[in-house]
Amino acid sequence: GNSVTQMEGPVTLSEEAFLTINCTYTATGYPSLFWYVQYPGEGLQLLLKATKADDKGSNKGFEATYRKETTSFHLEKGSVQVSDSAVYFCALLNFNKFYFGSGTKLNVKP
Amino acid sequence: NAGVTQTPKFRILKIGQSMTLQCTQDMNHNYMYWYRQDPGMGLKLIYYSVGAGITDKGEVPNGYNVSRSTTEDFPLRLELAAPSQTSVYFCASSSYSAQETQYFGPGTRLLVL
Repeated sequence: GNSVTQMEGPVTLSEEAFLTINCTYTATGYPSLFWYVQYPGEGLQLLLKATKADDKGSNKGFEATYRKETTSFHLEKGSVQVSDSAVYFCALLNFNKFYFGSGTKLNVKP
Repeated sequence: NAGVTQTPKFRILKIGQSMTLQCTQDMNHNYMYWYRQDPGMGLKLIYYSVGAGITDKGEVPNGYNVSRSTTEDFPLRLELAAPSQTSVYFCASSSYSAQETQYFGPGTRLLVL
């Protein structure tokens, strides 16, 4: 079947620290992979995507590389800001259906 | 351009009552989705549609029904509300050419008592 597993939070970092949020997946076929971000009281917004193996998605300083050999899509950012505080969801799209991880809450302190 | 709109924002239901959650998008998107988000959890797909007149089940369809008579509207029906359906419901849409870029509505918070 299809599923996404991501590291539990919350993750608390100081401003300008390095961020990694781990995500692994299980899927049949060749899924596309995504990171979505949810700010308090809002719906999800697409952060970045990768549609095939070895693709790197990037946006707003965040990056993630589609690793087929390790079935992973870890999210990274070199220097986080307070405004990055949110919940981050890893997701996959396979045969018209989306599957989301449980989310990782990030708290960035000044 | 309002994007994806959902009504109501919040609702309290008694066990056994029925209700319809409304979702409308004005972007002429082919794909529409209904998700539920339980506290501290990710989103679970309830139903989705690839176009008017076509719907299919997601991961957790039991207790829900949908219809898609127009491109714009994708209502979600709860026939016999149960406490297990207490959740936040999100509607989303995406285009045929960029299915991965979902646009989400603001959500409907439902409490079943």
